[in-house]
Amino acid sequence: GAGVSQSPSNKVTEKGKDVELRCDPISGHTALYWYRQSLGQGLEFLIYFQGNSAPDKSGLPSDRFSAERTGGSVSTLTIQRTQQEDSAVYLCASSSQGSTNTEAFFGQGTRLTVV
Amino acid sequence: AQSVTQLGSHVSVSEGALVLLRCNYSSSVPPYLFWYVQYPNQGLQLLLKYTTGATLVKGINGFEAEFKKSETSFHLTKPSAHMSDAAEYFCAVSDPSGTYKYIFGTGTRLKVLA
Repeated sequence: GAGVSQSPSNKVTEKGKDVELRCDPISGHTALYWYRQSLGQGLEFLIYFQGNSAPDKSGLPSDRFSAERTGGSVSTLTIQRTQQEDSAVYLCASSSQGSTNTEAFFGQGTRLTVV
Repeated sequence: AQSVTQLGSHVSVSEGALVLLRCNYSSSVPPYLFWYVQYPNQGLQLLLKYTTGATLVKGINGFEAEFKKSETSFHLTKPSAHMSDAAEYFCAVSDPSGTYKYIFGTGTRLKVLA
């Protein structure tokens, strides 16, 4: 596609439910990143994919969080048993080489609200 | 470990005035440096980046930033603010040795006064 696409744009869920957030990167981009943006905070790194592999998942805050990427394209971030502190905007980005001097293109994010 | 500090979570300037948004980094090696802008309800858009070469980097919308290794800084400037510049600005660093993740500051929200 023309840009990074994320769905849904907004998600309200009850505490304890599982949610899935989807990211469709720019076609041909091998690197994919998930970040979390909480109110008043910067962007918190969650996980990095190169192709279908995740060489760096050090930012996932707990074992309730997991992510996968299939076909070197679409990625899904899953949060199990959601908690109120999971409420945030989840941003996905992709880049063409997975090299740190290349630009990362961001999607518009999924705003998750846990009630 | 790398870190980024943005001084001032909120900055207000008058239309036509100089914009200065501060960014300092901590890194054991000279990093790559980025400024991103986020308009309301939108994703982040790259303004400019420094990797190697000239330390004064020009970006989109009239913004520029200068990498000062001695000061570990990468401040963002624009000579004359426009109303359309009102947004949140994020400074980011990455490690050229290849950890492939960008570390972001907490952001500075710029308000432009008429």
